[in-house]
Amino acid sequence: DSGVTQTPKHLITATGQRVTLRCSPRSGDLSVYWYQQSLDQGLQFLIQYYNGEERAKGNILERFSAQQFPDLHSELNLSSLELGDSALYFCASSPDPGSVYEQYFGPGTRLTVT
Amino acid sequence: AQSVAQPEDQVNVAEGNPLTVKCTYSVSGNPYLFWYVQYPNRGLQFLLKYITGDNLVKGSYGFEAEFNKSQTSFHLKKPSALVSDSALYFCAVKGGWYGGSQGNLIFGKGTKLSVKP
Repeated sequence: DSGVTQTPKHLITATGQRVTLRCSPRSGDLSVYWYQQSLDQGLQFLIQYYNGEERAKGNILERFSAQQFPDLHSELNLSSLELGDSALYFCASSPDPGSVYEQYFGPGTRLTVT
Repeated sequence: AQSVAQPEDQVNVAEGNPLTVKCTYSVSGNPYLFWYVQYPNRGLQFLLKYITGDNLVKGSYGFEAEFNKSQTSFHLKKPSALVSDSALYFCAVKGGWYGGSQGNLIFGKGTKLSVKP
């Protein structure tokens, strides 16, 4: 158990809908990262927060947004969903963005868009 | 830009034999390298990392990795494979502080390791 929790584990929804994925980082970690894993794109970095502030953006679509709350949990919002958004979404955390730190991953949320 | 390559989609090994999963990297500046393992329907588990120092890094579950700067490689190794090692292995490099990315991981495509009894 990495100490990172994600809810829900599975999500099935229809095209055009909006969903929210939730992540709680390990105790003491201030930095949260979101990744998307799909068969065709592999593991891709989406967005990073540190202590409530956005720090870096990767290949995140404009239909997607995220935030980190004062209690450090984070939410990833996916809207106007398309079939191609079906993927595993992982949250990871680390004490801070520094290069010496590894990231610990949650179990993921499997999103299926029908 | 930082990148990693895992040249093998799949590696097959007999139980008890040594295993190697290959990774090469391309970075600007000092490389910060990581190995993760993913079991079916599970999240990624951290195995080991290279930040600086000794080129041979020891990690979890008996795995180790050798950092080779001249060959820009960071191969994952284990002296004696177990059937339970069968999983998907990812090599990753830190995004660093270039181009605005600050600490995110850049992953290779993954290598499926299959250990047969």
